[in-house]
Amino acid sequence: DIQMTQSPSSLSASVGDRVTITCRASQGISSWLAWYQQKPEEAPKSLIYAASSLQSGVSSRFSGSGAGTDFTLTISNLQPEDSGTYYCQQYKSYPLTFGGGTKVEIK
Amino acid sequence: EVQLVESGGGLVKPGGSLRLSCAASGFTFSRYNMNWVRQAPGKGLEWVSSISINSNYIYYADSVKGRFTISRDNAKNSLFLQMNSLRAEDTAMYYCARPREGTGTTSDYWGQGTLVTVSS
Repeated sequence: DIQMTQSPSSLSASVGDRVTITCRASQGISSWLAWYQQKPEEAPKSLIYAASSLQSGVSSRFSGSGAGTDFTLTISNLQPEDSGTYYCQQYKSYPLTFGGGTKVEIK
Repeated sequence: EVQLVESGGGLVKPGGSLRLSCAASGFTFSRYNMNWVRQAPGKGLEWVSSISINSNYIYYADSVKGRFTISRDNAKNSLFLQMNSLRAEDTAMYYCARPREGTGTTSDYWGQGTLVTVSS
């Protein structure tokens, strides 16, 4: 199975900051990586697929990069509505696996 | 508009069974693979199972293999998850999800979830 490791597990940042979340795969997954945002008591929302492709309707403040084993999600100009938990997921092979999540708090 | 509506959750005793349903609308259901993903209270996301367009390919997480069965009825635009031999650790919100492309494996559209509680 492919293990996905996210860091940090939580962070606190101010409005307007640039935030970076890292996701590492235990083996190469090419660009078969997605990012999701989840707010309390809500279903997850897809942000990015194929490591760097932005889902339709998602703010351009979100961007993804990386390939192989190392990936990043960057949130530029952090806004209050960006608070929540972010998950990466590999979809190169079954079982599909998620990272443990990164909780983003706004100071 | 893509809509996924889960139902069938509830309180069940350990060893019991439940059948979850996911009603799909706003797209041609028969052209998309489908997924079940769960989330235990206060925990992260866990992929549970996936089924291909014509049910030829089915995959399960090891944690549910042999106890859960995924199925679909394309004529009724519905996805199912039969859960048997339920355990306390199966307690979670269960989401059905659809990829952006028919043969994809991502979860780009999600339902609101149905809560399963396994407790005596």
